[in-house]
Amino acid sequence: DAGITQSPRHKVTETGTPVTLRCHQTENHRYMYWYRQDPGHGLRLIHYSYGVKDTDKGEVSDGYSVSRSKTEDFLLTLESATSSQTSVYFCAISPGTGSNNSPLHFGNGTRLTVT
Amino acid sequence: GDSVTQMEGPVTLSEEAFLTINCTYTATGYPSLFWYVQYPGEGLQLLLKATKADDKGSNKGFEATYRKETTSFHLEKGSVQVSDSAVYFCALSDNAGNMLTFGGGTRLMVKP
Repeated sequence: DAGITQSPRHKVTETGTPVTLRCHQTENHRYMYWYRQDPGHGLRLIHYSYGVKDTDKGEVSDGYSVSRSKTEDFLLTLESATSSQTSVYFCAISPGTGSNNSPLHFGNGTRLTVT
Repeated sequence: GDSVTQMEGPVTLSEEAFLTINCTYTATGYPSLFWYVQYPGEGLQLLLKATKADDKGSNKGFEATYRKETTSFHLEKGSVQVSDSAVYFCALSDNAGNMLTFGGGTRLMVKP
């Protein structure tokens, strides 16, 4: 898994509660990403980071925030979970961009259920 | 914006059958194209890629050719195995290589 660990692997939470998902990497890669996977939609980018404290929004960022205080950790927070955020969340990392078009390496995912 | 369209699944084949999974894209500029595979309970893994028109990516018996004239990147394999059962995602990256846009995924089921 290219040194990527997601935690927790499974989470059930109630509507309105805050939830934080963690992605930890041991590869010292610069780029980190959070995707969500839903049937019929493939993977959609939520937020990404291009360095410590450098983050940007993706396609479906509403309702989510992220933080990256050190290279190895990228946190995804749902401030007030809603049922529409029930999904499988994947973290991905990449060493760089540009002409090499570095492929993403994915974690094994976190299955989140909001009841 | 950029988009990727894949054939809907599931695709069910018998072992040793020929596989084609269609993928077409819409993008500005000259994206790179990828196929990722997801086995049950796991994250996505890069299967193959092509970075410019007419390039052919290949890996584990799978192939795909970057066709700019038809904006396609169809995945093929001559003889599938039960172990190929998985979900396959077509994707493209923007010109800077920062972002991947994924198709909806196609589930392949191979029966013995």
